[in-house]
Amino acid sequence: TQLLEQSPQFLSIQEGENLTVYCNSSSVFSSLQWYRQEPGEGPVLLVTVVTGGEVKKLKRLTFQFGDARKDSSLHITAAQPGDTGLYLCAGGVGGGSNYKLTFGKGTLLTVNP
Amino acid sequence: DAGITQSPRHKVTETGTPVTLRCHQTENHRYMYWYRQDPGHGLRLIHYSYGVKDTDKGEVSDGYSVSRSKTEDFLLTLESATSSQTSVYFCAISDRTSSNEQFFGPGTRLTVL
Repeated sequence: TQLLEQSPQFLSIQEGENLTVYCNSSSVFSSLQWYRQEPGEGPVLLVTVVTGGEVKKLKRLTFQFGDARKDSSLHITAAQPGDTGLYLCAGGVGGGSNYKLTFGKGTLLTVNP
Repeated sequence: DAGITQSPRHKVTETGTPVTLRCHQTENHRYMYWYRQDPGHGLRLIHYSYGVKDTDKGEVSDGYSVSRSKTEDFLLTLESATSSQTSVYFCAISDRTSSNEQFFGPGTRLTVL
């Protein structure tokens, strides 16, 4: 079973600060996804990265896939209260009909005004 | 938003009783998944389906069974509910496009007393 370790587990910061969330594994993944989940709702996809070393930006969010496709990071610049939520990374394993996602345990981010 | 509904949204039941959760989609996606989400464990895959009548086990399948008799419906059954199955259950769908995005339903909160 591939494991994804996310850190930190909890993060509470002030509006305007920068932060980085990490997702690490000893396994190689075919793709890495980041989801954001709000209380009482299901996770919503933010980004998918598939190439080692790939960097994607989504407004103030920057996602990076490690060169060896074993780790990823999410960096938020000038965090806003609206960024508050549970951030989940998920690694893609298997192929064809057996393709599945393995999720990290999540990082609960609170951005205080 | 992807057309996914889950029913019921909340359920309280007693140990030893059978429980069936329903996931319904209007997107005609081939792949459907059942996850459970627990504090400290993140999202864990229970069962998944890669077509009508085609299902397979996930990471935590013991005590659960599934059925998919038509594309739009994926049922999760707890034959004899136990307190350890108290959790929030999420259904997800995917058409396995290049992003391999999974769209999640709103979740079912199940409490087994």
